[in-house]
Amino acid sequence: DADVTQTPRNRITKTGKRIMLECSQTKGHDRMYWYRQDPGLGLRLIYYSFDVKDINKGEISDGYSVSRQAQAKFSLSLESAIPNQTALYFCATSEEAETSTDTQYFGPGTRLTVL
Amino acid sequence: GNSVTQMEGPVTLSEEAFLTINCTYTATGYPSLFWYVQYPGEGLQLLLKATKADDKGSNKGFEATYRKETTSFHLEKGSVQVSDSAVYFCALSDRGTDKLIFGTGTRLQVFP
Repeated sequence: DADVTQTPRNRITKTGKRIMLECSQTKGHDRMYWYRQDPGLGLRLIYYSFDVKDINKGEISDGYSVSRQAQAKFSLSLESAIPNQTALYFCATSEEAETSTDTQYFGPGTRLTVL
Repeated sequence: GNSVTQMEGPVTLSEEAFLTINCTYTATGYPSLFWYVQYPGEGLQLLLKATKADDKGSNKGFEATYRKETTSFHLEKGSVQVSDSAVYFCALSDRGTDKLIFGTGTRLQVFP
């Protein structure tokens, strides 16, 4: 089984709808991240969480919110989806910086289309 | 702020050709440097990394050397295969934060 899973893998929705993307991990890592990938822009950080009680905005958090329900689960919500949120979304995990070598482990991605 | 610049693609090569994908960075302090690879329809996976100056990361025939004097981390492979066709991302990590900053990615296409 994959260490980092994302659901759904694909989603088509309409403008104004609320959408939740879910991420689960079995790696036992404390740190989790949400990125979006757009052609020609690489990956950009939306939100990150260093433990269950810690949530931080990334560089493009507007229009998104997150919830860290448990060490293993980190959800991303679009409260009112708009077409420019059409993108590929990735969840990632890592260990604490003091014990790790900075490596992040990525899920397979969720392709979201907002019409 | 910290940033990563990598060559635009696509890079198109014949099988067994030599590959170089350039990556340069701007950073304060001493970041770790990474190459991630994204195969079609998949998430990113770590290809190799280097954590200090002059370190060489290597994996699956790919290599990259952390060059502090030229702020570069170029990816090389001596003989590419069709199965190497993917998008390659250079990235750096701020020390102590585990936040990765990615380049825009370079698509590699290898033809038989």
